[in-house]
Parts: sequence; structure tokens; C-alpha cells
Amino acid sequence: QLVLTQSPSASASLGASVKLTCTLSSGHSTYAIAWHHQQPEKGPRYLMKVNNDGSHYKGDGIPDRFSGSSSGADRYLTISSLQSEDEGDYYCQTWGTGIQVFGGGTKLTVL
Amino acid sequence: EVQLVQSGAEVKKPGESLKISCKGSGYSFTSYWIGWVRQMPGKGLEWMGIIYPGDSDTRYSPSFQGQVTISADKSISTAYLQWSSLKASDTAMYYCARLGPPFRNWGQGTLVTVSS
Repeated sequence: QLVLTQSPSASASLGASVKLTCTLSSGHSTYAIAWHHQQPEKGPRYLMKVNNDGSHYKGDGIPDRFSGSSSGADRYLTISSLQSEDEGDYYCQTWGTGIQVFGGGTKLTVL
Repeated sequence: EVQLVQSGAEVKKPGESLKISCKGSGYSFTSYWIGWVRQMPGKGLEWMGIIYPGDSDTRYSPSFQGQVTISADKSISTAYLQWSSLKASDTAMYYCARLGPPFRNWGQGTLVTVSS
């Protein structure tokens, strides 16, 4: 079964960096994923797609502070020079034939 | 510019029917899948289903199969999500999104409140 696992929460200081993780279920380690950001009381926004080889393709207007990478079944989102507007929930998403899957989300707090 | 514009907030009573909409513009509406995503209060994103407006091919999440109906009218570039009999547990924000894949463009959301 295609499942994505995320840590429920993360925190980092203003101006620091943070690395969020999304783990693909067993047997699905070659799948690409996407990252979406949802600020409080707003809708989701697509950030980027991260491939199995670590290449990533950002959405329009996404700052260079955001980058993606990959290792085995893990897909990462790294945010550098954290700003207050980076707070919120981060969801990973993947897809198969006729299905879409979301991870449970990671709530990021900028201290 | 790709845009997905959803219909406005709805307040309904249990047992009532409802159809909400999502109008696409700025791209070939018939060439991309559109999906619906539920977000219950304080919870995460849940995929409900997707439709290909070009031929109306539709796929549902097992969790939502039989609970909702997804449709599209390609003549007006609009996708729909409908319920025949709402329950209080359908209270949520509903988003439409265009599949690349993945979901690359999101609508602004439609808040559905079901209360007696």
C-alpha cells in the first residue's frame, strides 16, 4: 500500500535552516513526491516536485531558499534562512495509477 | 496564468443535496486531470477523487467512493463535486487542484458547513 509518513512537528529559529522528511512505504522507494505548504488559515500552495534521483522542480515564484533532495525512500524539503511566513503545515504528496496520496503533514514553527 | 476559481461557502442542513464547482482558466481544461481534496477542521489533506474532463474518466479514493460524485462540463471548463444527502461529518473545506501530476495549481477552497 502506498503510504507517506511525515513527522507531526518541527521547529527552528528565524534565519536558521530546517530539513523536513517524507518517507515512502516499502516497495515504493522510487516514487517521486511533491511538497505543498499551507500557511495558517490559507489554502495549500505547491512548492516543488522531488524525483527519486534528488532532482527537483519548483513551482512558479518559489524562492531559492527552498530545495529538495532524496535518499532511498526518504524525500526531503530544506528551507534555509527561515522567515516567519514559512510557518505552517507542509504536506508531501505522491501518486500512482489512478490514486493520489498525502502524508499526514508536518507543522513547522519558526521560533 | 493558470487559475482555479471555486464557488462560495455553503451552509446546509443534514440530508440536503449540494453541488460545488471549480472553474479552470489559463490552460487547456480538457488536457489535465482535476482533483478534489477534503480538509476537515484542524486536520490534514485527504484526496477524494480525480476527473479527466477530456473524456470524464473519474477515479475515486476508496474512502469516498459512493459518498460523493465528481463530474465536469468541458464546455464551460468547470468541475463539480456533489453530495446527494449531506451529513454533519461533511463539514470541511474542499479544494480543487489541477494535476500535473502532482497537484500543481490549487483553487481557493469552498467551505461547506452542515448543521441542523
